[in-house]
Amino acid sequence: EAGVAQSPRYKIIEKRQSVAFWCNPISGHATLYWYQQILGQGPKLLIQFQNNGVVDDSQLPKDRFSAERLKGVDSTLKIQPAKLEDSAVYLCASSLVGQGWKLFFGSGTQLSVL
Amino acid sequence: DAKTTQPPSMDCAEGRAANLPCNHSTISGNEYVYWYRQIHSQGPQYIIHGLKNNETNEMASLIITEDRKSSTLILPHATLRDTAVYYCITTNFGNEKLTFGTGTRLTIIP
Repeated sequence: EAGVAQSPRYKIIEKRQSVAFWCNPISGHATLYWYQQILGQGPKLLIQFQNNGVVDDSQLPKDRFSAERLKGVDSTLKIQPAKLEDSAVYLCASSLVGQGWKLFFGSGTQLSVL
Repeated sequence: DAKTTQPPSMDCAEGRAANLPCNHSTISGNEYVYWYRQIHSQGPQYIIHGLKNNETNEMASLIITEDRKSSTLILPHATLRDTAVYYCITTNFGNEKLTFGTGTRLTIIP
């Protein structure tokens, strides 16, 4: 079974630039999550989708972060403009509907904002 | 979700049992205990979960005290590949969102 795919693996940008991350969940997983993990901390949920609809984006900084899942499969997370404090690993996870307790994570994208 | 408390770090000798404690004294009756681990440069990985009975699978065993205020994750024969951060999470079954704390950094010593 293929896992959750994320790209790029690493990204280095300067502050005020924009960046996008891509995620392809496990086939058949209707629920998709984006988490932000700052060094030394646990992952923090940014947004949750079910199919192509947003279930929870209460912790997404909407002035600079946006995410979409247009066809209910792949998802893109964008930051525009980036700040120094956005340096983190961005993790994508997916699950079957009703099994949000059993998440399957990708390896993440490590973002460094200089 | 109940607050969980875990030691920040632990060491365990290779081949020995690793016992990782978690305190969740405010857990409610319908909250489950979930364990995940995160190996360096990877995303977290589900290990096991339970409500009140002890549970065992191919990865680990979960012991939950009778009052459910604490639990212990047991890795019976730790290997170097078990070096990771282990997260203990409590939430209602069916809750589609998990809140991760800072976990316990377990280091397996050769």
